Amino acid sequence: AQKVTQAQTEISVVEKEDVTLDCVYETRDTTYYLFWYKQPPSGELVFLIRRNSFDEQNEISGRYSWNFQKSTSSFNFTITASQVVDSAVYFCALSLFFYNQGGKLIFGQGTELSVKP
Amino acid sequence: EAQVTQNPRYLITVTGKKLTVTCSQNMNHEYMSWYRQDPGLGLRQIYYSMNVEVTDKGDVPEGYKVSRKEKRNFPLILESPSPNQTSLYFCASRIYRDSYNSPLHFGNGTRLTVT
Repeated sequence: AQKVTQAQTEISVVEKEDVTLDCVYETRDTTYYLFWYKQPPSGELVFLIRRNSFDEQNEISGRYSWNFQKSTSSFNFTITASQVVDSAVYFCALSLFFYNQGGKLIFGQGTELSVKP
Repeated sequence: EAQVTQNPRYLITVTGKKLTVTCSQNMNHEYMSWYRQDPGLGLRQIYYSMNVEVTDKGDVPEGYKVSRKEKRNFPLILESPSPNQTSLYFCASRIYRDSYNSPLHFGNGTRLTVT
C-alpha cells in the first residue's frame, strides 16, 4: 500500500527557532516523486519542492532545506530561523510513476506550524 | 497569468439541493483533478480526468459527479449534497506529459457547508 505519514499534527515554535517537519512514506515502487506543499491561512496550496526517487541529494533554498533518505523512507523539511510568515499547514505528498490513476498525489495528513513572535 | 480558478470560494447549502462547483484552467493542461481536504485526513482525490471526455474515480467518489466536455473546464457536481460532504474542495491541473513529476497547480479552494 502507498501511504504518507506526517506524525506531527501541530508544531509551535518561537520566531528564529529552527524547525523540522517529518514525512515518512511507504511504497514498493522504485520510481516515485515526493512533494511538499504549503497551505497558508488564506487557504491556497503552494508548491514548494519535488524530488525524484533517484536523487538523494539534499536541497537548500534560502531558509528551507529538505533531507531525502531512501533508507528510512523519509523526506523531511527544515525551516531555519523561522518567521511568522512561515505559519501554515505543510503537506508532504507522494506521486507514483506506474500508479494506475494518472499519477495521483497521495497526501499526508499535514502538519500545522505556528510561529509565534 | 497561469491559474486554476474555482468558484465559488464559499458555499452554504442545504441537504439535497443540487450544486456545482466550477473549475477552469488557462494552461492547456490535459490532466485535472478534484480533491477534498478534511482535518486529520489531508487531501483525498475525488475524481480525475486525463483529457477531454476521459474521467475516472479517485479514492472518495461517492456522492460526486464530474464532466470534462472542454479541456479547460472540470466542474464538480453534487446531485444531492449531504452534511458529510462539508469540506474544503480543491481543483488542480497539470501537464499530462511527465505528469508524475510535475507539480499539481491548485485552485484557491471552495469551502462547502451542507446543513
